[in-house]
Amino acid sequence: QVQLQESGPGLVKPSEALSLTCTVSGGSVTNYYWAWIRQPPGKGLELIGNIYYDGSTTNYNPSLKIRVTISADTSKNQYSLKLSSVTAADTAVYYCARVRTMTTFFDAFDMWGQGTMVTVSS
Amino acid sequence: DIVMTQSPDSLAVSLGERATINCKSSQSVLYSSNNQNYLAWYQQKPGQPPKLLISWASSRESGVPDRFSASGSGTDFTLSISSLQAEDVAVYYCQHYYSTPQTFGQGTKLEIK
Repeated sequence: QVQLQESGPGLVKPSEALSLTCTVSGGSVTNYYWAWIRQPPGKGLELIGNIYYDGSTTNYNPSLKIRVTISADTSKNQYSLKLSSVTAADTAVYYCARVRTMTTFFDAFDMWGQGTMVTVSS
Repeated sequence: DIVMTQSPDSLAVSLGERATINCKSSQSVLYSSNNQNYLAWYQQKPGQPPKLLISWASSRESGVPDRFSASGSGTDFTLSISSLQAEDVAVYYCQHYYSTPQTFGQGTKLEIK
């Protein structure tokens, strides 16, 4: 059973960078697309972006593109998110998720991590 | 970006009754080459991540009770729960995966009347 687990600081200061890692266990990252999705408190879901397991392809939400970097480390079965110049508007639960079908990102998200709350505050 | 709009924002239904949630996309999510609608439905309970219920607009995921059904094509979609159970209280989201960025509806909160 594939499991995803987000990790990283729960508190980030304004203007600094938010960095999170998603560790995939019980299965390999190989041949799948992996995504970051966030949910501000009491609000809906927003796709941040996704990455092919080997890092060869990334897709970022245009609304966040200039601040986002998603990278992958196949040796550790992990992928990571970096969001720069954060503000209070970036306070959210951050989820990592798997795109269901191999080799495409045009499919639903079938596996999700439990999510990690990140608060932006001084 | 394709905008997904759900209605209603919230819904209260009696146990055993039918619940219906609508989702409208700002442009068609039907891919003509394979005649598939690139549309999914998720259920999110408090403190939990979303759970995939339905993909390809009407295909129920393994393990999802058959009281959940979905339909629609092009720009208009519906999720129905035929006989509401207490455990169905949740927020439901539609999502398209037709193009980038994939976007979600704002969510519909389903409660017991």
